[in-house]
Amino acid sequence: EDQVTQSPEALRLQEGESSSLNCSYTVSGLRGLFWYRQDPGKGPEFLFTLYSAGEEKEKERLKATLTKKESFLHITAPKPEDSATYLCAVFNYGQNFVFGPGTRLSVLP
Amino acid sequence: ETGVTQSPTHLIKTRGQQVTLRCSSQSGHNTVSWYQQALGQGPQFIFQYYREEENGRGNFPPRFSGLQFPNYSSELNVNALELDDSALYLCASSSTGEGETQYFGPGTRLLVL
Repeated sequence: EDQVTQSPEALRLQEGESSSLNCSYTVSGLRGLFWYRQDPGKGPEFLFTLYSAGEEKEKERLKATLTKKESFLHITAPKPEDSATYLCAVFNYGQNFVFGPGTRLSVLP
Repeated sequence: ETGVTQSPTHLIKTRGQQVTLRCSSQSGHNTVSWYQQALGQGPQFIFQYYREEENGRGNFPPRFSGLQFPNYSSELNVNALELDDSALYLCASSSTGEGETQYFGPGTRLLVL
């Protein structure tokens, strides 16, 4: 059964304190790995899609990387507005999207 | 460009009732997926519709059913509601049924009493 786990469950950072979020996956056939940001009570907002090991994508203070077993979301010099839950999802050959439980990030001013 | 919209935003039902949730896909998208998100958890895949046909289904019972219309909008129907069905229901649209990036709507919050 395909599984996605994320760590840590929650993370508190001071403004400007860089860190990384981890997404580990077990999937029968990976067709894509997605990162989303979700604010409380709202739908997930698309951030990145990664398709193959070694691929990297960047957007403002965020950088996503992919290996054969995990993906990292690096946050450089975060600001309070980066506070949100970050979700990782994989798309498999069974036409299913499998989401992880998310990492709740709080950035304190 | 119009994003994904969902209606209603909130809904309260009692156990045993039936509910219909609606979703309008983003312009140019022909695929709609539905998810259930319990509080504090990641979204769980219910099913996907591509060109009006079911194109994948998660581990949900048959009382969860759906439709996609020729304009690619979609409905999620849940029969015989149970207390555990209380959740945020999310709709996402994409341009094909082949794992393209999904764009989510704001969700419908369902409370079953």
